[in-house]
Amino acid sequence: DTGVSQDPRHKITKRGQNVTFRCDPISEHNRLYWYRQTLGQGPEFLTYFQNEAQLEKSRLLSDRFSAERPKGSFSTLEIQRTEQGDSAMYLCASSSTPNGYTFGSGTRLTVV
Amino acid sequence: AQSVTQLDSQVPVFEEAPVELRCNYSSSVSVYLFWYVQYPNQGLQLLLKYLSGSTLVESINGFEAEFNKSQTSFHLRKPSVHISDTAEYFCAGQLGNAGNMLTFGGGTRLMVKP
Repeated sequence: DTGVSQDPRHKITKRGQNVTFRCDPISEHNRLYWYRQTLGQGPEFLTYFQNEAQLEKSRLLSDRFSAERPKGSFSTLEIQRTEQGDSAMYLCASSSTPNGYTFGSGTRLTVV
Repeated sequence: AQSVTQLDSQVPVFEEAPVELRCNYSSSVSVYLFWYVQYPNQGLQLLLKYLSGSTLVESINGFEAEFNKSQTSFHLRKPSVHISDTAEYFCAGQLGNAGNMLTFGGGTRLMVKP
């Protein structure tokens, strides 16, 4: 197992376009999290899945953001009608216990 | 509101000198506390964590942190830093009733100079 994988590593998109990111967690981990990190700041929680159920969502997750984990394995995070303020590093993490996070390397989104 | 605060945004230090990165949390109930390190353009790597038991926790590369409930602190220390310790360090907590989410501090950039 190579840890938590995120794809793509970098994404440059024009304002108004839709983007989708993928996260493949560690295979035996049933918990999956998405965080957003803007330049010079600490990561901020976006959403949490246990298996395929989305159990927690932050107020940061506006209507333009949607996350899925259809079979309780990989997850996708989609941003519709991107705005320049969406430029950030999007981090995925997984765990098998409530306090054993493993983070991926992140997807860096730049909206131009 | 529950929060994690890192008091220093940057800490410059000379190689082989000791360092302390400060972290305070705000929670009236139980907490789990973590320190993560982030190298440029990479994700977060867990350095050490406090869940319960001994208040002094250590990492494999010489860092240690002490949970102090009365001071609501979880400061990170290393007695002698190396150039390779240059990175961004984040304190984080699972605080009280916040469920499974981690609340992060704003980060401290440790800059080790030769």
